Amino acid sequence: SQTIHQWPATLVQPVGSPLSLECTVEGTSNPNLYWYRQAAGRGLQLLFYSVGIGQISSEVPQNLSASRPQDRQFILSSKKLLLSDSGFYLCAWSLGTGDYEQYFGPGTRLTVT
Amino acid sequence: AQSVTQLDSHVSVSEGTPVLLRCNYSSSYSPSLFWYVQHPNKGLQLLLKYTSAATLVKGINGFEAEFKKSETSFHLTKPSAHMSDAAEYFCVVSGNQFYFGTGTSLTVIP
Repeated sequence: SQTIHQWPATLVQPVGSPLSLECTVEGTSNPNLYWYRQAAGRGLQLLFYSVGIGQISSEVPQNLSASRPQDRQFILSSKKLLLSDSGFYLCAWSLGTGDYEQYFGPGTRLTVT
Repeated sequence: AQSVTQLDSHVSVSEGTPVLLRCNYSSSYSPSLFWYVQHPNKGLQLLLKYTSAATLVKGINGFEAEFKKSETSFHLTKPSAHMSDAAEYFCVVSGNQFYFGTGTSLTVIP
């Protein structure tokens, strides 16, 4: 069966510090991968998606970047965090678009102080 | 273009009574629709999905949803609420990406 992992589960970082969040998927090959951010009391905002190694599409211009160094690994990064980067970050995978459901990881709670 | 509107930001029901969470969608073609549930500080879990087969879709934990093209609706229902159903619920329409509603917070009163 497929499993998706995210770490860390929680993170408190000062403004201006770097960020690295990691997501890995097990039990499937060549998945589509997604990073979402969920601000307090709001819906999900798609940040990045990837259909293959090294292929990253950005949905929202911002302080963040993403990389996919391996087929089942997706990394979200920032060189300098802003207060507005605080939120709940969710990674997800799917086998395609359209009819395909997305499966979500447990999330990372990021607080920028 | 695709979009969804969740008509209620908060719904409160008593335990054992029916649940109705409303969702209207907009899609330029035959849509794929999903309902997800999110418990506090957790990831999203798929409840059910509609992909142009039967219009009444049964999901996990006793939830079901009915696709009504004439009303562009995909409302989520459950006959009898349980305390464990208290969570945030998201309606989603899929195109080249997922388009999420803003969520409905369900409170279940004992």
